Amino acid sequence: EAGVVQSPRYKIIEKKQPVAFWCNPISGHNTLYWYLQNLGQGPELLIRYENEEAVDDSQLPKDRFSAERLKGVDSTLKIQPAELGDSAVYLCASSPSGRGASEAFFGQGTRLTVV
Amino acid sequence: QQQVKQSPQSLIVQKGGISIINCAYENTAFDYFPWYQQFPGKGPALLIAIRPDVSEKKEGRFTISFNKSAKQFSLHIMDSQPGDSATYFCAASSRTGGSYIPTFGRGTSLIVHP
Repeated sequence: EAGVVQSPRYKIIEKKQPVAFWCNPISGHNTLYWYLQNLGQGPELLIRYENEEAVDDSQLPKDRFSAERLKGVDSTLKIQPAELGDSAVYLCASSPSGRGASEAFFGQGTRLTVV
Repeated sequence: QQQVKQSPQSLIVQKGGISIINCAYENTAFDYFPWYQQFPGKGPALLIAIRPDVSEKKEGRFTISFNKSAKQFSLHIMDSQPGDSATYFCAASSRTGGSYIPTFGRGTSLIVHP
């Protein structure tokens, strides 16, 4: 079974430029998460989707960040414009929903460097 | 406000020794406590998890001890090996809308010397 796939793995951009990350969750997983991981820190939730609906985006900086999950499968996370402080690893995770579901499966992440 | 506090930040042990990582939480709504292992350049991967109705869970060399009254839990790695060198995150999850949402600690960087 394929895991969570993210692309690109690495991205270097200049500040004020836009950037987008893509995530393909595990097939059949209704829940999709985007996490931000700063160097030496634990992942922090940015947004959570249940199918195509964003049900928890309270930690997403909406002035520059946006996300979408069309058709309840793949998702993209966008930053426009990027700032130096956005340099971090962006992790996507997915999990099945429903009774008994518990584990979140993570992708390898996209390491963003803003220069 | 950090909901899950993890210590130590870094840990160095000799091969064959015991590695112990501690976590504490405040929110009593948490009801699932996973530990994740992360190698450089990789995403976190579930290592072992426990629910609050048991006080201990063991899987191979990895054991979680859970103290519900103290709202603390810990990971013990017995007979630590160099291949265990990684960053370990404790997490606490609560069910919202049918899904568990893990809240992570800050992580412990473990180095096991040969």
